[in-house]
Amino acid sequence: DTGVSQDPRHKITKRGQNVTFRCDPISEHNRLYWYRQTLGQGPEFLTYFQNEAQLEKSRLLSDRFSAERPKGSFSTLEIQRTEQGDSAMYLCASSLFLAWDRGNTEAFFGQGTRLTVV
Amino acid sequence: DAKTTQPTSMDCAEGRAANLPCNHSTISGNEYVYWYRQIHSQGPQYIIHGLKNNETNEMASLIITEDRKSSTLILPHATLRDTAVYYCIVRPGRTGTASKLTFGTGTRLQVTL
Repeated sequence: DTGVSQDPRHKITKRGQNVTFRCDPISEHNRLYWYRQTLGQGPEFLTYFQNEAQLEKSRLLSDRFSAERPKGSFSTLEIQRTEQGDSAMYLCASSLFLAWDRGNTEAFFGQGTRLTVV
Repeated sequence: DAKTTQPTSMDCAEGRAANLPCNHSTISGNEYVYWYRQIHSQGPQYIIHGLKNNETNEMASLIITEDRKSSTLILPHATLRDTAVYYCIVRPGRTGTASKLTFGTGTRLQVTL
């Protein structure tokens, strides 16, 4: 399967614990995005990377959230001191940005990681 | 990004065409119309996008009005597997570097026997 892969698919954690999610994008894609989706709502943008550089962060991304993409390939999203309000589906997507053409291909999404904080 | 307005839900009989409308009256000249869908418990899936001309691919057709203030996604022969939430999104396309997608709440399409 050459699509976007996320791990784990489900995570249950106790309030106050730290959690880390991993995303493996489509191999030739240089842009990687993180979104969060709560029940009944559409996905909300959190942050994105171009290669290893984090180019934009949403105001939704509090200080307890950190994302990395150290080698410009896979990415991790860590949530420290989880709260019940962090319970959501965390989605990763990737796309190919062609600088010479100043355009993006469409974004391909992974299956998401469903986080439940108890 | 321009805001979009979609009906909350729609029903369609299997085998019939599903026509999903979207209003984007504040769309600007460099903004494209994108459609994604999300089947239950999966990530969103790209369907189609367009600027001003009608577009067709193996999944759907996109009809954009001449004034570009609204569009319709057409699934020509809906099947039960098309039951999903459909999102209409307007964003700068090839002329800009903006990447993020701004999702609304979409239209929940229920395909029935």
